[in-house]
Amino acid sequence: GQNIDQPTEMTATEGAIVQINCTYQTSGFNGLFWYQQHAGEAPTFLSYNVLDGLEEKGRFSSFLSRSKGYSYLLLKELQMKDSASYLCAVSDRTDSWGKFQFGAGTQVVVTP
Amino acid sequence: NAGVTQTPKFRILKIGQSMTLQCTQDMNHNYMYWYRQDPGMGLKLIYYSVGAGITDKGEVPNGYNVSRSTTEDFPLRLELAAPSQTSVYFCASSYLQGVGSYEQYFGPGTRLTVT
Repeated sequence: GQNIDQPTEMTATEGAIVQINCTYQTSGFNGLFWYQQHAGEAPTFLSYNVLDGLEEKGRFSSFLSRSKGYSYLLLKELQMKDSASYLCAVSDRTDSWGKFQFGAGTQVVVTP
Repeated sequence: NAGVTQTPKFRILKIGQSMTLQCTQDMNHNYMYWYRQDPGMGLKLIYYSVGAGITDKGEVPNGYNVSRSTTEDFPLRLELAAPSQTSVYFCASSYLQGVGSYEQYFGPGTRLTVT
């Protein structure tokens, strides 16, 4: 199985940058996903990393270091609508292909 | 294309009652999942399915049962409801074939209260 750790809450100002870290332990890493979840809604997919490095998608970027068991999600030019919980999820091929474990989520609060 | 749909949206059950949460996807995805999410927590996997006729337990399967008779449908059955099953239940699906991203698409959730 995996242990996935991410901070509980982060606060940042509109227009700023916030970096959400995720650390994990897994015996057979098979991919890391980031999801966004607004209060009372379902999670929606943001990004996927399976190789080391940075993946950029508009204002959001995600980085992965497999040797360190570490990922981060970078949110740039923060907007009020980015206030949400951000979930890190890891797939482990020694467990079952296509099965994930989710972290508890990081609540990002964007202030004016 | 409706994506993943779940019914009902809300339900209140009395202790000991049973119910089935319905989940349907129209994306021809092979994998389907059931999660529960308690307040302030992440998603815990209850059961998942890799295709019609094949299901397997996740982290928290006790008190639940599933079946997958078709690609589209993946109902979750609660037998003898207990207050500990008060939660928000999400169904999700994804398509896995070879390498590449296989993100999950989530339904809107079912908010269940057991009293």
